[in-house]
Amino acid sequence: NAGVTQTPKFQVLKTGQSMTLQCAQDMNHEYMSWYRQDPGMGLRLIHYSVGAGITDQGEVPNGYNVSRSTTEDFPLRLLSAAPSQTSVYFCASSYSQGGLGYTFGSGTRLTVV
Amino acid sequence: DAKTTQPPSMDCAEGRAANLPCNHSTISGNEYVYWYRQIHSQGPQYIIHGLKNNETNEMASLIITEDRKSSTLILPHATLRDTAVYYCIVGASNDYKLSFGAGTTVTVRA
Repeated sequence: NAGVTQTPKFQVLKTGQSMTLQCAQDMNHEYMSWYRQDPGMGLRLIHYSVGAGITDQGEVPNGYNVSRSTTEDFPLRLLSAAPSQTSVYFCASSYSQGGLGYTFGSGTRLTVV
Repeated sequence: DAKTTQPPSMDCAEGRAANLPCNHSTISGNEYVYWYRQIHSQGPQYIIHGLKNNETNEMASLIITEDRKSSTLILPHATLRDTAVYYCIVGASNDYKLSFGAGTTVTVRA
């Protein structure tokens, strides 16, 4: 099925470890983004990309890196995990700018101990 | 700065219409109103959007006031599967940085 695929679904990290959250879409969408959602809160934008080779920071970029070498993939790297990064991470893609047509992945639940 | 204000929660009886309000008093002329919902812990799902005219699709209706400072999402016949967090979002068509606030938690009761 077409959509946004995130891996892994669950992850536990120790403080200071690094890891990459994977996001892939097969809809040929130019726009992709990463959000984090803390308990009882809305989604906050971490980084976004408007096409291969183009990325920019969102609302809460510190501690995260991204790159976009292909249209399909938009990985999110945690450089040195901290307990404050415990959250649910959602990747989204869209065929347009603005808020239309976002397709979200099912999320990665990350716990940093 | 929050662009929208929504009530934190509301209940609705199954089979009845659910009317979800959203205030966006600082909306600009080129900004749309978008609605998404998030069921349990899944990723948000697009529902509907509008600029100034009322809109309807198979999921819901969107009523935007004439001054565009507020809107209402209507779920015409709520079912238990409509229990979710509903997000009202305002953004221009060229806006990359959309903000999802805390939304309204809607609980549909049998």
